[in-house]
Amino acid sequence: KQEVTQIPAALSVPEGENLVLNCSFTDSAIYNLQWFRQDPGKGLTSLLLIQSSQREQTSGRLNASLDKSSGRSTLYIAASQPGDSATYLCAAPEYGNKLVFGAGTILRVKS
Amino acid sequence: DAMVIQNPRYQVTQFGKPVTLSCSQTLNHNVMYWYQQKSSQAPKLLFHYYDKDFNNEADTPDNFQSRRPNTSFCFLDIRSPGLGDAAMYLCATSRDFKWTDTQYFGPGTRLTVL
Repeated sequence: KQEVTQIPAALSVPEGENLVLNCSFTDSAIYNLQWFRQDPGKGLTSLLLIQSSQREQTSGRLNASLDKSSGRSTLYIAASQPGDSATYLCAAPEYGNKLVFGAGTILRVKS
Repeated sequence: DAMVIQNPRYQVTQFGKPVTLSCSQTLNHNVMYWYQQKSSQAPKLLFHYYDKDFNNEADTPDNFQSRRPNTSFCFLDIRSPGLGDAAMYLCATSRDFKWTDTQYFGPGTRLTVL
């Protein structure tokens, strides 16, 4: 049974800072891992999907890495902006396309 | 442009009064999912449909049912809502149930139980 943990639970940084969000998972026999963004009261938006054959995936100022052997993934956000303020969730598959989510990291970027 | 639509966005019901949440999609995807997300918690999969095949998660309470009358629509029925069922309910779709298939989420319905 897959379990996903995210630390920290909340993070507050000044605008312009680079930051790292962490995600760990218990079952390393995964084919991929996804990072999502959730704005308050809204649904989920997929940010990055890293396949097990990749070690990193980049989209704009976002970079996600995956280390299956250690059961960890990180989401790196460069030059943070107030518009990046949201909850960031990672999700790992348990079987098929069933996703198990972490509880998320609440990010606040102060201007 | 909206691909996964959920109605209503906010729903208030009374303790024990049945409620139905709606999800529709314009993507023509085979799979539709319902997740429950309680405050400050991770979204949790309740069940999914692959076409007309219903797949219930083992720990989903019997109080929760679902219907998928056609490819585009899927409904979540809560037969007797309790205070503990207050949550955001998220609908998602994917082309298939393979690990390579991205899930597209709707905006969610926030359910309040009085």
